[in-house]
Amino acid sequence: GESVGLHLPTLSVQEGDNSIINCAYSNSASDYFIWYKQESGKGPQFIIDIRSNMDKRQGQRVTVLLNKTVKHLSLQIAATQPGDSAVYFCAENRGGSNYKLTFGKGTLLTVNP
Amino acid sequence: KAGVTQTPRYLIKTRGQQVTLSCSPISGHRSVSWYQQTPGQGLQFLFEYFSETQRNKGNFPGRFSGRQFSNSRSEMNVSTLELGDSALYLCASSPYRRDSKNIQYFGAGTRLSVL
Repeated sequence: GESVGLHLPTLSVQEGDNSIINCAYSNSASDYFIWYKQESGKGPQFIIDIRSNMDKRQGQRVTVLLNKTVKHLSLQIAATQPGDSAVYFCAENRGGSNYKLTFGKGTLLTVNP
Repeated sequence: KAGVTQTPRYLIKTRGQQVTLSCSPISGHRSVSWYQQTPGQGLQFLFEYFSETQRNKGNFPGRFSGRQFSNSRSEMNVSTLELGDSALYLCASSPYRRDSKNIQYFGAGTRLSVL
């Protein structure tokens, strides 16, 4: 099976709460990670990325944390909004200029008003 | 700048037929990748093309093939369609980089239904 997987297939939160979506990977050679958001009827949309030489990276309302010791990646969304409802995927690039991304199964985030 | 464009958006085929899907990458992007997305298997890598050459290939049977043209536009072909080929086929393009910072930008996909 895929080495990139998600702990929870679904996550339901209240509007305004913070959301945390988790991802595990098993390939130590992975050096680059991306989070994508996919809304119904659309292709995946880039959210944020992080290199393996970093532990944390922040964007607008989103933060990605990387723990290489336990091979764990998380996406934190602050003040979650109804527009954040979507499926979230983590993806890894397994070293070098290999343009093959390996995706996790996805987590469905539902934001309740 | 226009995004990744995939045509057609929807296709209905019957078993045994073949199908060709088209992808126009973002202007200036030279790498084009194809993925199959199904509810059971998620996003699975099919192949990646760069400068008209296939650089990477996923674990799909030979019925799945692709090509890239000199203008970076790409097509993928599936021959002898099977029911299990029903899926959303996604194309993604990337600018050339020497490092692994591989942000792929996706199109909306082609929804293929095999009856």
